[in-house]
Amino acid sequence: NAGVTQTPKFQVLKTGQSMTLQCAQDMNHNSMYWYRQDPGMGLRLIYYSASEGTTDKGEVPNGYNVSRLNKREFSLRLESAAPSQTSVYFCASTPRERTYNEQFFGPGTRLTVL
Amino acid sequence: RKEVEQDPGPFNVPEGATVAFNCTYSNSASQSFFWYRQDCRKEPKLLMSVYSSGNEDGRFTAQLNRASQYISLLIRDSKLSDSATYLCVVNGDAGNNRKLIWGLGTSLAVNP
Repeated sequence: NAGVTQTPKFQVLKTGQSMTLQCAQDMNHNSMYWYRQDPGMGLRLIYYSASEGTTDKGEVPNGYNVSRLNKREFSLRLESAAPSQTSVYFCASTPRERTYNEQFFGPGTRLTVL
Repeated sequence: RKEVEQDPGPFNVPEGATVAFNCTYSNSASQSFFWYRQDCRKEPKLLMSVYSSGNEDGRFTAQLNRASQYISLLIRDSKLSDSATYLCVVNGDAGNNRKLIWGLGTSLAVNP
């Protein structure tokens, strides 16, 4: 099992460009999450999907959209990138949306917006 | 007061030492507590959940003190491979993962 995979690993964008971060998991998990991690801020939830067909906003959703394509895949889109979106983005999954479930993370995408 | 606070460190200890980290949380209604480990430029990985009665996994012991609203992580016989950042995670809303509050982490460096 690959676990949680993310592409790309690194990306540099210019302000105003768009891109989609891809995430897939092969553990048959129901719930998937997108986080960003910034120095001095800790991990912050952008969007999550409790189950296939549902998505909800997290703590910092502005400037992002998501798509739960199927049970395996959960993508994050930046429609018009801004320098404030420079960050490390992690996708995670859990078997169900319950607090005591371990969150499994992907390796992350390091995004720089110039 | 921040929702979850950790001493950022760094803690520099020699191999074989015992080291302890604390993490304080502000929401007295929090029900779930975790320690995650994050290596440099890697993703976080669950180290251990923290139960009310305390729990131990090999060299690692986690404790919960509800009265004082903190959790602790004790690492005995430190190894070089324990060098990492340790993230304290607390739920802010019972029953789901949406309200997990992540601490900024405590950096540990174990030296030969």
